[in-house]
Amino acid sequence: GAGVSQSPRYKVAKRGQDVALRCDPISGHVSLFWYQQALGQGPEFLTYFQNEAQLDKSGLPSDRFFAERPEGSVSTLKIQRTQQEDSAVYLCASSLDWGLAKNIQYFGAGTRLSVL
Amino acid sequence: GQQLNQSPQSMFIQEGEDVSMNCTSSSIFNTWLWYKQDPGEGPVLLIALYKAGELTSNGRLTAQFGITRKDSFLNISASIPSDVGIYFCAGRHNTDKLIFGTGTRLQVFP
Repeated sequence: GAGVSQSPRYKVAKRGQDVALRCDPISGHVSLFWYQQALGQGPEFLTYFQNEAQLDKSGLPSDRFFAERPEGSVSTLKIQRTQQEDSAVYLCASSLDWGLAKNIQYFGAGTRLSVL
Repeated sequence: GQQLNQSPQSMFIQEGEDVSMNCTSSSIFNTWLWYKQDPGEGPVLLIALYKAGELTSNGRLTAQFGITRKDSFLNISASIPSDVGIYFCAGRHNTDKLIFGTGTRLQVFP
């Protein structure tokens, strides 16, 4: 597709359930980012991949959060034993390259997760 | 997590008015970016700034990279209804991850 695609767009989970959120980056983009956006806030960095390598996971809030990008393309963000505080929009972004000052991140529409 | 201070938090203006918003940080950035987010969508890049003191325009939008590298501002001239949305600043250090501001919600009345 032309842009970053995320699925599902909406996810409702019962507290304690595991969820998996998918991101299809723009074809050929090397870098992939996950951000968490709480209601009324700006996006906050979670983790970053360069191809299949997870180079920075400093923003993951707990060990219940896990991300992977096994073939350097599609990425999955998994949240185990969801809690109410995990309710947020999860945004994925991709960029063509890495480490360049003029690297532009293109964002998907996000997955809105509601934990009841 | 870290978020940049962005002001004002919200603005209600009449169509045709000019708008100014700014963003400050306690740390230095190498890149400043301004994004717009519409409801149910991801942020879309408006302007990117790469050098301290740089002034860049994109149509009716003008943004500046502060001399101290700790602030940036965005101006929108002659606002129109489609300018409605949430505007976010974002800064980048030496890594690729972005640090976003708290956002400015803009409402434009006809």
